[in-house]
Amino acid sequence: GQNIDQPTEMTATEGAIVQINCTYQTSGFNGLFWYQQHAGEAPTFLSYNVLDGLEEKGRFSSFLSRSKGYSYLLLKELQMKDSASYLCAVRDSNYQLIWGAGTKLIIKP
Amino acid sequence: IAGITQAPTSQILAAGRRMTLRCTQDMRHNAMYWYRQDLGLGLRLIHYSNTAGTTGKGEVPDGYSVSRANTDDFPLTLASAVPSQTSVYFCASSDGPTGELFFGEGSRLTVL
Repeated sequence: GQNIDQPTEMTATEGAIVQINCTYQTSGFNGLFWYQQHAGEAPTFLSYNVLDGLEEKGRFSSFLSRSKGYSYLLLKELQMKDSASYLCAVRDSNYQLIWGAGTKLIIKP
Repeated sequence: IAGITQAPTSQILAAGRRMTLRCTQDMRHNAMYWYRQDLGLGLRLIHYSNTAGTTGKGEVPDGYSVSRANTDDFPLTLASAVPSQTSVYFCASSDGPTGELFFGEGSRLTVL
């Protein structure tokens, strides 16, 4: 079966750095997405990786290793507004998105 | 403002009733999707449409139907609602099979 694993919940301190991991087992691979979802709101796109390596976008970076079936989202200089759930999703060989259950990130002052 | 509009935003429904969740986008995206989101589970695809006039079944299609008469509209119908269909429903669109998804604000449905 297809599976996306990410931690259920993480806690970090304002101003610090946090890394949210995502491991996947899917039928084929056509890209990996990270989305942010604030409580009671819709998911919004953060990043897309299709090749191995690091993609940087401001305070957020996303890394992919296809051989290891692994990705992480790195958030720097954490702000209180970064408290949200972070969803990892992989596009399989049929171009369907397989979603992880999300990681709830709690930022403490 | 361009985007996706869903209606209603919230609804309480008696079991056995018919319900249609509306979704309209103005971005001229070809692909549209309906997901449900339940606590502790990832987003699960109900139905999708790659282009107007075509639809396909996702991971959890039973009890739901969709239509795609034009590019902009993609309604989701529950023919006879059951309590297990209590969920938050998100409509989304993309400009192609590899594109990022744009989500509507969600419709919270409670079936009693």
